[in-house]
Amino acid sequence: QKEVEQNSGPLSVPEGAIASLNCTYSDRGSQSFFWYRQYSGKSPELIMFIYSNGDKEDGRFTAQLNKASQYVSLLIRDSQPSDSATYLCAVNVLTGGGNKLTFGTGTQLKVEL
Amino acid sequence: ETGVTQTPRHLVMGMTNKKSLKCEQHLGHNAMYWYKQSAKKPLELMFVYSLEERVENNSVPSRFSPECPNSSHLFLHLHTLQPEDSALYLCASSQDWVRGLMHHVRDQETQYFGPGTRLLVL
Repeated sequence: QKEVEQNSGPLSVPEGAIASLNCTYSDRGSQSFFWYRQYSGKSPELIMFIYSNGDKEDGRFTAQLNKASQYVSLLIRDSQPSDSATYLCAVNVLTGGGNKLTFGTGTQLKVEL
Repeated sequence: ETGVTQTPRHLVMGMTNKKSLKCEQHLGHNAMYWYKQSAKKPLELMFVYSLEERVENNSVPSRFSPECPNSSHLFLHLHTLQPEDSALYLCASSQDWVRGLMHHVRDQETQYFGPGTRLLVL
């Protein structure tokens, strides 16, 4: 069983639409959740992090966390072509020896003109 | 720029070569990481160093040997690699707030990645 699961996509949305990216995780001890964006040939960059149940908004991005369902999502409003990338979900179980993130395989998002 | 640099950016080596990857962070962090990213696979955590002490070794073959001489520098020494080791090798850093005994600020859990080294083993 995969520890962090994401639909690999590609997810195609028209410009201006809302893109919804989903992630489920298996470890109930997971405490922090991250969304990274990775452009082709580049390294991951942090988009959002969340650790409390509910929604967290930052500009066009909203992260949603439901620990009971072991589910975290990322909504991108007013999608732009520049949002086309692979979005990686990562979870963190704090153990006091570094922050060990477990990543999903990523969802490829394509925003079409 | 994230404040994490990696050299070289690209590396081609034969299976009998020995090479080293270098990572340097300018963020004042006390934890550093090596990841391997292969096509269609999730990022694989290879090693974790916290306060210059190795705290994680995820069943990585001994042909990969990490070194962390101080909190700002991390190396990955490579020898007798196999073609299946060809991948993007990413370095990251963060604040280890638990072991660092610092005030718990969630932002400090974030890992910042370097640009990566694209490795090809022939």
